[in-house]
Amino acid sequence: AQSVTQLDSHVSVSEGTPVLLRCNYSSSYSPSLFWYVQHPNKGLQLLLKYTSAATLVKGINGFEAEFKKSETSFHLTKPSAHMSDAAEYFCVVIYAEGKLIFGQGTTLQVKP
Amino acid sequence: SQTIHQWPATLVQPVGSPLSLECTVEGTSNPNLYWYRQAAGRGLQLLFYSVGIGQISSEVPQNLSASRPQDRQFILSSKKLLLSDSGFYLCAWTGGWTEAFFGQGTRLTVV
Repeated sequence: AQSVTQLDSHVSVSEGTPVLLRCNYSSSYSPSLFWYVQHPNKGLQLLLKYTSAATLVKGINGFEAEFKKSETSFHLTKPSAHMSDAAEYFCVVIYAEGKLIFGQGTTLQVKP
Repeated sequence: SQTIHQWPATLVQPVGSPLSLECTVEGTSNPNLYWYRQAAGRGLQLLFYSVGIGQISSEVPQNLSASRPQDRQFILSSKKLLLSDSGFYLCAWTGGWTEAFFGQGTRLTVV
């Protein structure tokens, strides 16, 4: 069965330090992968997506992610965290048959 | 352009009352449609998805049901709400496997 695993339910970093949010997915032929952010009481905002083009994907607000097929991973990174980055982050995968699966979510806390 | 409408945004319902949440899509045809629920402090759980009119797949057995009476309309229903049905409900659609669009969500509180 298809599954998406976000390896950390909660990540805490200091402002100005790097962010790493990890995501692994069950193997499939050419999935599309996305990262979304959800601020409290707000809708989902697309950060970036991978759809079989360049494996290093750049998104909004300085975020980027690298698709590693051999590791079935799509980890999200940012060189320097900002207080406004504190939110819930979701890794989302669309499998070839069209099924859309969410990871469990990672809460990012940014300390001053 | 492609848009998705989901309503209402918030809802407070008593235990045992019925539920109907509606989601409609514009700017596409034959989308895959999805309903998710996010309970407090939890991730987004896939409840139902549909690849066409009248075709509904259920991921989680519960007292909820879904229907797709038209190509771009997806309805989530319950005959009798439980306290455990409280949460954030999200409608989504995909066109193929490269695009995903989400509604703004419905925050349901069962009292």
